[in-house]
Amino acid sequence: EVQLVESGGGLVQPGRSLRLSCAASGFTFDDYAMHWVRQAPGKGLEWVSGISWNSGSIGYADSVKGRFTISRDNAKNSLYLQMNSLRAEDTALYYCAKALVQGVDYWGQGTLVTVSS
Amino acid sequence: NFMLTQPHSVSESPGKTVTISCTRSSGSIASNYVQWYQQRPGSSPTTVIYEDNQRPSGVPDRFSGSIDSSSNSASLTISGLKTEDEADYYCQSYDSSNQGVVFGGGTKLTVL
Repeated sequence: EVQLVESGGGLVQPGRSLRLSCAASGFTFDDYAMHWVRQAPGKGLEWVSGISWNSGSIGYADSVKGRFTISRDNAKNSLYLQMNSLRAEDTALYYCAKALVQGVDYWGQGTLVTVSS
Repeated sequence: NFMLTQPHSVSESPGKTVTISCTRSSGSIASNYVQWYQQRPGSSPTTVIYEDNQRPSGVPDRFSGSIDSSSNSASLTISGLKTEDEADYYCQSYDSSNQGVVFGGGTKLTVL
């Protein structure tokens, strides 16, 4: 059974940093690309970033480019999102998602990030 | 870059059929696969259609997907509506120009 468990969310002040983690199990992690997708309260889904199986290809949404960094450790079956210079508009539930060709087939339960003073 | 536009909401009665559209703003809808996700209140999204018209195991055949190049849009059709189908539905495609994933704004389906 595929499991994706996010952690690292919380309340943080504007301008500060936070690092999210996603522990993956139930599939061969280093065979698949992975994504971070977020959902602001009461809003729709927004893609944040994606990374190929070997970290050779990485993409970011314009809204986070230059502030967020995605990475993975295949030896630990883990995905990460380093978030710097956080803004109020980054407040959202952040989902870790397993890629399937050009989409997603499995989603985690999400970790909530709240940016507020 | 392109956008995917969905109706904000649709409603239909149990047992009926509903179709949710997803229109691509630029570039061909057929140039990248379209996926559809269902999100019930308080839950994570789940995949109901992938690669335009494929259903994951466990998704009932009441759910079907298609694309229409003439209208540059994709559609999710749900037949034999059940109250459990009430949820938000998101279409999604891939932007080859920046290796990005693009979501539609979501459609709230009400079954009443």
